[in-house]
Amino acid sequence: GQQVMQIPQYQHVQEGEDFTTYCNSSTTLSNIQWYKQRPGGHPVFLIQLVKSGEVKKQKRLTFQFGEAKKNSSLHITATQTTDVGTYFCAGEAGYALNFGKGTSLLVTP
Amino acid sequence: KAGVTQTPRYLIKTRGQQVTLSCSPISGHRSVSWYQQTPGQGLQFLFEYFSETQRNKGNFPGRFSGRQFSNSRSEMNVSTLELGDSALYLCASSLGDTIYFGEGSWLTVV
Repeated sequence: GQQVMQIPQYQHVQEGEDFTTYCNSSTTLSNIQWYKQRPGGHPVFLIQLVKSGEVKKQKRLTFQFGEAKKNSSLHITATQTTDVGTYFCAGEAGYALNFGKGTSLLVTP
Repeated sequence: KAGVTQTPRYLIKTRGQQVTLSCSPISGHRSVSWYQQTPGQGLQFLFEYFSETQRNKGNFPGRFSGRQFSNSRSEMNVSTLELGDSALYLCASSLGDTIYFGEGSWLTVV
């Protein structure tokens, strides 16, 4: 079955540094979704990418979908303490989402 | 507009007992899915319902079951609880592409 792998597992940055998390799927994805979960909170939908090679931006966040639709990345420019949390990617498969294990981001001021 | 509501938020059960968790989706959302989140396994799909029909089921034992009512509210049940069932159980509803998660039900099995 489809497996979604995400790296790194943890990332600790100084405020103002950039951050990137990478997601790879064992199979071609119809789409990929990104979520953010704050400590003690629930996953919050960030974005969905559908097209091969798609790039979308949300303020300091840039999301990319690979040409082969098997990998994706989330890049945060100039991190802030409010960016702290775990970022998950998820591939859709038959009304279900296969989540990566997430990248936990810690930002120190 | 109210979000996805899950009850109870926290509960403690003993091994062998059963538990029922409830989820009220966002008004108008007909798709409801359930996920288990643990530190070791991450977020794992349990099942998804649409118009009272289960459309997909994850790789969990038969002790895990669910249902959806005509008003789209959903329940999941876990029978014969095991220590390993301790987890955050998340319900999500969707209308189209965006999925909204509830705050979850924290289950501790002792």
